[in-house]
Amino acid sequence: QVQLQESGPGLVRPSETLSLTCTVSGASISSYYWHWIRQPPGKGLEWLGRMFIRGTTDYNTSLKSRVTMSVDTSKNQFSLKVESMTAADTALYFCARGGYTGYDLDYWGRGTLVTVSS
Amino acid sequence: QSVLTQPPSVSGAPGQGVTISCTGSSSNIGAGYAVHWYQHLPATAPKLLIYGNNNRPSGVPDRFSGSKSGTSAFLAITGLQADDEADYYCQSYDNSLSAWVFGGGTELTVL
Repeated sequence: QVQLQESGPGLVRPSETLSLTCTVSGASISSYYWHWIRQPPGKGLEWLGRMFIRGTTDYNTSLKSRVTMSVDTSKNQFSLKVESMTAADTALYFCARGGYTGYDLDYWGRGTLVTVSS
Repeated sequence: QSVLTQPPSVSGAPGQGVTISCTGSSSNIGAGYAVHWYQHLPATAPKLLIYGNNNRPSGVPDRFSGSKSGTSAFLAITGLQADDEADYYCQSYDNSLSAWVFGGGTELTVL
């Protein structure tokens, strides 16, 4: 059974960098694409980017150069960093696995709420 | 503002059916990219309901079906049950944004 679990700080100060980790069980981190998605309070879902073990990354250009994704194969984890956080980055952050078609997302975590506030 | 447009809410009585629409444009659904649908209950992991326009992952009841026409896609749910109450999201790929894009979500209420 594939499971994903997000972890990280619930509170980030403005201008700081957010670091989140997604721990994967039931699947090898080396064999799939892995995505990050977020949902601001009361709003829809926003795709942040995806990565593959061999270093391939695709980021949402709306976040410009603030996003970085990486993988730790020894822990079967992948990570997200978002620089220069503002209140607009307050959201529920999800990790997910790229699925059957290459464009769907077949397994998701429950999400972790990140609030940006001083 | 979401790239794909969904109605904010739909409702239906137990046993009845509802259809949720998802409208895109020529750079996503209209460009031939498949539409996928997700069911999300609060504090749970979103669940893939339909992939590739009209395919159900193992374990998803055949009460859920998807279709696509032009720049729109549709999720049909028949035989509504109380535990179908959830938020439903459509998703596709947009080649002008080079990004995975979502609808704003539709809240289903079973009356």
